Amino acid sequence: EIVMTQSPATLSVSPGERATLSCRASQSVSSNLAWYQQKPGQAPRLLIYGASTRATGIPARFSGSGSGTEFTLTISSLQSEDFAVYYCQQYNNWPSFGQGTKVEIK
Amino acid sequence: EVQLVESGGGLVKPGGSLRLSCAASGFTFSSYSMNWVRQAPGKGLEWVSSISSSSSYIYYADSVKGRFTISRDNAKNSLYLQMNSLRAEDTAVYYCARPQEPGAAAAPNWFDPWGQGTLVTVSS
Repeated sequence: EIVMTQSPATLSVSPGERATLSCRASQSVSSNLAWYQQKPGQAPRLLIYGASTRATGIPARFSGSGSGTEFTLTISSLQSEDFAVYYCQQYNNWPSFGQGTKVEIK
Repeated sequence: EVQLVESGGGLVKPGGSLRLSCAASGFTFSSYSMNWVRQAPGKGLEWVSSISSSSSYIYYADSVKGRFTISRDNAKNSLYLQMNSLRAEDTAVYYCARPQEPGAAAAPNWFDPWGQGTLVTVSS
């Protein structure tokens, strides 16, 4: 099983600031990495797949980078609607998810 | 509009059984593999099971292997999860999730869209 580790667990950011979230895989997953956003009481929403490709309708302020074992999700200028929990998921092998990073208002 | 709607969740005693359903609409259901993903209260996401488009290939997480059975009915555009020998640790919201791209195989994939989820609570 590939273990995904996200950091930090909680990120406190002011609106308009940049947020950088990290995800590390226990072994290489190539670029087979997706990011999701989840708000309370809602299903996860796909943001990024292939490590860096934005899903349809996702604003350009969301960007993904990395390959192998180290990945980053960057939100360039946080909007009020971006405060949520973010999960990474590898699909190089049977899917596994990180434990999530909560982005909260500072 | 692509839609996935889960149903069948509820309260069940340890050792009991429950059958979840997922009704799909807005796309050619028979062209996609399908998945179940769960989320325990306040916890992260866990992939549970995948089924190929024609039901030829089926995969399970070790945590549910031998207790859960995934199935589908392409004529009814529906996905199912039969859950037996339920444990407290199976308590979770269960999501039906589709790969973004069509394909026959139940290969590892990313998920889009997801249903709204159905809550399963295992407690005496």
